[in-house]
Amino acid sequence: DFHLTQSPSSLSASVGDRVTITCRASENINLYLNWYQQKAGKAPKVVIYNASTLRSGVPSRFSGSGSGTEFTLTISALQAEDFATYYCQESSSSPRLLFGGGTRVDMK
Amino acid sequence: QEMLVESGGGVVQPGRSLTLSCAASGFIFGGYAIHWVRQVPGKGLEWVAAISYDGHKTYYADSVKGRFTISRDNSKNILYLHMSRLRVDDTAVYFCARDPFNDYGAGSWFDPWGQGTLVTVSS
Repeated sequence: DFHLTQSPSSLSASVGDRVTITCRASENINLYLNWYQQKAGKAPKVVIYNASTLRSGVPSRFSGSGSGTEFTLTISALQAEDFATYYCQESSSSPRLLFGGGTRVDMK
Repeated sequence: QEMLVESGGGVVQPGRSLTLSCAASGFIFGGYAIHWVRQVPGKGLEWVAAISYDGHKTYYADSVKGRFTISRDNSKNILYLHMSRLRVDDTAVYFCARDPFNDYGAGSWFDPWGQGTLVTVSS
């Protein structure tokens, strides 16, 4: 069975910190990996698609990297509005489409 | 402004049916595949179903296959999710979300999303 493993499940950080979240796939998914930000009570919003493309309007402190089975979302200098839960999502093979378990980023 | 607005959620007994709607505005609805994604309150996201731009192709998660039906009316800019034989574990917030392409396939992602509608399955 295919697995998408996101880590850590939670982290505590301060404004200005560099934050890194990892998503690992159990098989090669090329560049078909996307990242979403979700704030409490709101719908998710895409921040990165196709592993490293920044969605228009998303601040440049967000970046994505990786290919194949290992991917990373990095926030270079965390801002107050970045405290949220982040999800990775793969879509390498229709009809399968999976989300990672999520990473909650809260204030230290 | 590109928007999706869900409606139709509520409390329903196990075994009963419910139909959700998703109204689109601000973009050419008939040009895109659309998805349903659900989230148990406080938990993660689960993809539920997708439909191609013209409604001719549909796709379902194994957890809902045979019980849920996704459809669309491009003349009204509305997406539907008909849910039958509902179970307690179908309780979730249901979001509709647009695919960047006209059909669901490799490379699909979601933008924008609706605000969600809560479905509670309980006796």
